[in-house]
Amino acid sequence: GAVVSQHPSWVICKSGTSVKIECRSLDFQATTMFWYRQFPKQSLMLMATSNEGSKATYEQGVEKDKFLINHASLTLSTLTVTSAHPEDSSFYICSARDGTSNYGYTFGSGTRLTVV
Amino acid sequence: GQNIDQPTEMTATEGAIVQINCTYQTSGFNGLFWYQQHAGEAPTFLSYNVLDGLEEKGRFSSFLSRSKGYSYLLLKELQMKDSASYLCAVRGSTNTNAGKSTFGDGTTLTVKP
Repeated sequence: GAVVSQHPSWVICKSGTSVKIECRSLDFQATTMFWYRQFPKQSLMLMATSNEGSKATYEQGVEKDKFLINHASLTLSTLTVTSAHPEDSSFYICSARDGTSNYGYTFGSGTRLTVV
Repeated sequence: GQNIDQPTEMTATEGAIVQINCTYQTSGFNGLFWYQQHAGEAPTFLSYNVLDGLEEKGRFSSFLSRSKGYSYLLLKELQMKDSASYLCAVRGSTNTNAGKSTFGDGTTLTVKP
């Protein structure tokens, strides 16, 4: 089945630095990928929709200049958390759908970000 | 917009059957998903319903009634490893929501011996 690889699995960074998270579709092409954030014991909140070759679409309340998304190819989307703050500490998950399948989206393994 | 409701917590006994309900109000509908998520891990796909009725897949079944905005996930022969959070998600079909799934807050299921 469809596989989405997400790296890194966890990262600790200092306040004010930037962190890049990669999401790759390994055996299918994904023109659209989604980025979610999940705080402890809460559900997934959609941050943005990443579109290959065009600008990402951000959900209301998500700062596009803080969470930079690049979807440069059909198999890779990146999320960069810029000038990270402790309140950005969260579980970030990407997902993508194999266009040939009408079933569920495949999620990456997630990235646990801790900003100290 | 999308509004999805499911119980926060449920407890059941190993070997038993449990039904997790999900109700939704959406501006458009293009399918309902159920995902399982263990603590600290990403969600994994369980089921997808777009037409009314019951979809059975092994120990797990999912039901959908579009007219009632209602779905349930049925877990049979519960095992300890089924202890997890179960997320109901609805995919929109409007131009602004096409392809995007909105997740409920999840139901934490605890299976006891």
